Amino acid sequence: AQRVTQPEKLLSVFKGAPVELKCNYSYSGSPELFWYVQYSRQRLQLLLRHISRESIKGFTADLNKGETSFHLKKPFAQEEDSAMYYCALRSSGSARQLTFGSGTQLTVLP
Amino acid sequence: GAVVSQHPSRVICKSGTSVKIECRSLDFQATTMFWYRQFPKQSLMLMATSNEGSKATYEQGVEKDKFLINHASLTLSTLTVTSAHPEDSSFYICSARRGTGWEKLFFGSGTQLSVL
Repeated sequence: AQRVTQPEKLLSVFKGAPVELKCNYSYSGSPELFWYVQYSRQRLQLLLRHISRESIKGFTADLNKGETSFHLKKPFAQEEDSAMYYCALRSSGSARQLTFGSGTQLTVLP
Repeated sequence: GAVVSQHPSRVICKSGTSVKIECRSLDFQATTMFWYRQFPKQSLMLMATSNEGSKATYEQGVEKDKFLINHASLTLSTLTVTSAHPEDSSFYICSARRGTGWEKLFFGSGTQLSVL
């Protein structure tokens, strides 16, 4: 069974500092990884996915199959980045299965 | 962007009553919708996958007769919590997929259910 682990429930950084939100997964096949973000009082929305290899709002995430990680990074955090971040994994074997991590609450301090 | 409307956002009910939660895709057709449950400070747990025109597929451990799902049209799926009990109190979230790509998954704003 697949599993997604986000070891940090809370993470605080100062504005302008680099930020890294950790995500590790457990899955024997070829996974598809996503990061979702939920800003205060807003709904969950897709931030980025590993297949597209894009940078959204300055965030990037690289899939490291050797370390089974998909950490989310941003070199210079902004106050508006404060939100709840969820890492998610979709297994290749089951089209409907999207497994979420428990989330990390990021707070960017002024 | 695509919008998924979930209603109500909050509901309080007495133990033993049934509660219906609606999930609508406002500007696209969704052949597949998903229902999640989230306990405080925990992950979203997939409860069931709702397919338009067919029976929902429930995850292991989710009672079909307890959580009735109806996906009657391409824009509406409903979750009915039957004979609700305090342990059913939770945050329920729906999502709708536009097309087949997983990047086109849009979430509702959630429903906080409190059973007294």
